[in-house]
Amino acid sequence: GDSVTQMEGPVTLSEEAFLTINCTYTATGYPSLFWYVQYPGEGLQLLLKATKADDKGSNKGFEATYRKETTSFHLEKGSVQVSDSAVYFCALSDLYNNNDMRFGAGTRLTVKP
Amino acid sequence: GAGVSQSPSNKVTEKGKDVELRCDPISGHTALYWYRQSLGQGLEFLIYFQGNSAPDKSGLPSDRFSAERTGGSVSTLTIQRTQQEDSAVYLCASSWRQTNTDTQYFGPGTRLTVL
Repeated sequence: GDSVTQMEGPVTLSEEAFLTINCTYTATGYPSLFWYVQYPGEGLQLLLKATKADDKGSNKGFEATYRKETTSFHLEKGSVQVSDSAVYFCALSDLYNNNDMRFGAGTRLTVKP
Repeated sequence: GAGVSQSPSNKVTEKGKDVELRCDPISGHTALYWYRQSLGQGLEFLIYFQGNSAPDKSGLPSDRFSAERTGGSVSTLTIQRTQQEDSAVYLCASSWRQTNTDTQYFGPGTRLTVL
């Protein structure tokens, strides 16, 4: 079945460091890929998404490119801020699996000043 | 309000009791989803509704779990004879349609603790 595997955390970085959170997926069909973020004390919210191969999703300085050849959707940011501290979830939604959303286990990021 | 709302925000219950969790989706969203987030775990998909119907109930952990949606709006997730392993945060989400491209908007969750 469909699944998402993402980099285990926690990840601790200094402010202005480069961030990569790896995400790979297994899917039957042609999924859409998402990154959701959960800030402390808040609900899950969409960070960015890509709906087909080679699409790049971007938001708030974060980027992720849908790579079909490597079945990956790694999240990157060039310079993290303390306010980026949160839990990040990679997810997919597959047309061939009833569009059910499948989430990774989440990666906790802490950015220190 | 503009977002997905859930109630109660916290629920503490005794083992063996029934609980009912409520979700109010964003107005106009036809699709509604329930997930469970256990401590240190990712999100586990439970069930989705397209309108009032739930085509796939295979994600429900056991027959103690049931869900319904009325009027294409509010949904309730019921857990009968709760067990300690049911303790988790239960999240509800909604989207315009039940497609693989539509963004799901999440509520704040209900934290369930079974003593």
